[in-house]
Amino acid sequence: NAGVTQTPKFQVLKTGQSMTLQCAQDMNHNSMYWYRQDPGMGLRLIYYSASEGTTDKGEVPNGYNVSRLNKREFSLRLESAAPSQTSVYFCASRGTGADNEQFFGPGTRLTVL
Amino acid sequence: LAKTTQPISMDSYEGQEVNITCSHNNIATNDYITWYQQFPSQGPRFIIQGYKTKVTNEVASLFIPADRKSSTLSLPRVSLSDTAVYYCLVGLNYGGSQGNLIFGKGTKLSVKP
Repeated sequence: NAGVTQTPKFQVLKTGQSMTLQCAQDMNHNSMYWYRQDPGMGLRLIYYSASEGTTDKGEVPNGYNVSRLNKREFSLRLESAAPSQTSVYFCASRGTGADNEQFFGPGTRLTVL
Repeated sequence: LAKTTQPISMDSYEGQEVNITCSHNNIATNDYITWYQQFPSQGPRFIIQGYKTKVTNEVASLFIPADRKSSTLSLPRVSLSDTAVYYCLVGLNYGGSQGNLIFGKGTKLSVKP
């Protein structure tokens, strides 16, 4: 069991470039999440997907799009990157039981110049 | 949205008990309280979760008063490896909306020898 995996681990973009962050989980979880974490700050929810085929906005969705490709995969796309999107991005997943534990991936460190 | 307030930092010594309090005055009826631990360059890791009264597991205890407007994470006999940032999360009400997930800025715990 790999848990939650994210690619790439590091990325440098120029302003205006686009890219997609990939996330996959092998725990058969229904819910998946994308967070961003700025230096010295807590995590802020960007988008989430409660189940395959559904996505909803979180606290800071502007400038991002997501796709829940299948039950395993949840991608985050930056169409036109801006320096304000420099951050560490974490993907997480959660099962449907009473235990609300989220499992986090290792993160993607993104720098936009 | 149920925002949380925690102390920015705390210091302790090995072998002591550490109590970290989180304030969440506008917690909703169905919200759970969850605590996560985060080491540098890693994703957060689940510690404990509760709804009311007291919950204990192998690593921590969680105390929640009757009004649920605050909660206290208790770490018994901390060691150097407990040095990390601890986040209080309110939300993830079972069966309800998941868009109200708010991580606070966390409490940076430093354990000294």
